[in-house]
Amino acid sequence: GAVVSQHPSWVICKSGTSVKIECRSLDFQATTMFWYRQFPKQSLMLMATSNEGSKATYEQGVEKDKFLINHASLTLSTLTVTSAHPEDSSFYICSAFGTSALRGLDTQYFGPGTRLTVL
Amino acid sequence: QKEVEQNSGPLSVPEGAIASLNCTYSDRGSQSFFWYRQYSGKSPELIMSIYSNGDKEDGRFTAQLNKASQYVSLLIRDSQPSDSATYLCAAPSKVDSSYKLIFGSGTRLLVRP
Repeated sequence: GAVVSQHPSWVICKSGTSVKIECRSLDFQATTMFWYRQFPKQSLMLMATSNEGSKATYEQGVEKDKFLINHASLTLSTLTVTSAHPEDSSFYICSAFGTSALRGLDTQYFGPGTRLTVL
Repeated sequence: QKEVEQNSGPLSVPEGAIASLNCTYSDRGSQSFFWYRQYSGKSPELIMSIYSNGDKEDGRFTAQLNKASQYVSLLIRDSQPSDSATYLCAAPSKVDSSYKLIFGSGTRLLVRP
């Protein structure tokens, strides 16, 4: 069973709108969550790391004002893509670090991903 | 910068063969390693972890770790077409109190029927 959920699984939006993606850890408390982006046939690219109750740390080249991250609780982090444009179309994947009661391992667990298409 | 290196492949093996996926890492202080499998269009899924030198077996999967050589591998016995995916090797990096996994670029495995 899944230990990290992500919602929505896909979204299509018009250029200029904002899109919010939710990531939840289901059977553990995640002090640290990560947001990745992956373009077709390319590697995972870490966008930012978020710690509960503090500001996210963004990787070089990722615009913090465009990709807003909120880690409001130990089980929920959100990524908001503001004023989305076609070049933001990608597969966004969240990951939570912790010890899954189901898996019994202390590591990063990935959500199923959100496919964003901006028209 | 701590690094994890993998051959991008594709590694092509016939059905029923053993697939051997390799990974090297730069940080001698790394204590644990993880293998993730990623099917096309899906997110990575954790399949194996290894912490000690030697072999660790789980079903058709065997992870091997050699800390002296800074080398970790994943063997898949009796490979099936459904094993065709990209396999990511990862090692944790901890700077101050900040933790994250460092991923290799992944090896694409193709199992031919």
